[in-house]
Amino acid sequence: NAGVTQTPKFQVLKTGQSMTLQCAQDMNHEYMSWYRQDPGMGLRLIHYSVGAGITDQGEVPNGYNVSRSTTEDFPLRLLSAAPSQTSVYFCASSMTSGSTYEQYFGPGTRLTVT
Amino acid sequence: AQTVTQSQPEMSVQEAEAVTLSCTYDTSENNYYLFWYKQPPSRQMILVIRQEAYKQQNATENRFSVNFQKAAKSFSLKISDSQLGDTAMYFCAFMKHGAAGNKLTFGGGTRVLVKP
Repeated sequence: NAGVTQTPKFQVLKTGQSMTLQCAQDMNHEYMSWYRQDPGMGLRLIHYSVGAGITDQGEVPNGYNVSRSTTEDFPLRLLSAAPSQTSVYFCASSMTSGSTYEQYFGPGTRLTVT
Repeated sequence: AQTVTQSQPEMSVQEAEAVTLSCTYDTSENNYYLFWYKQPPSRQMILVIRQEAYKQQNATENRFSVNFQKAAKSFSLKISDSQLGDTAMYFCAFMKHGAAGNKLTFGGGTRVLVKP
């Protein structure tokens, strides 16, 4: 199993540009989430999904869109990049039930908006 | 809403010694889970240890153990016999039982430096 994969690893955007961060998992997990990590801070939830076709907002959703057309993929779209979106982005997935509830994280994408 | 606070931004410890990281949280929930995640310089988030709030027994995983005080809403992590590979950021995280999406609330992190 590859686990949770994210592409790209690094990205530089100009203000106003749009882009999509890709996330995929091969563990058949129903739950998937996007977090951002700013310097000196913990991760904050942007959006999450409890299954294909179902998404909801987290703590900091403004400026981001998500969709979940398959169980495996959960892309994050930046509609019009702003310097405040400079951050490291993590995708995570987990099972819906069971004794573990462990979130499996991808390696992250470092995004810089100039 | 839940909040998680880690009051120690940075700690250093000599190799082979022990270090304890503190974490406090605020919640009105009775059933929940607490986690410690390690983030080495590679940036990968690695689960170190988890604790179910309904369990009174403190969790242990090899050299890592927790002191869970539910009434005080405290969840500290002890790293025993510290190794150079333990150098990393450590994040405390909270998850409400049954939370849609298994949403996590993170603390701000503690940077641990293990010195040879």
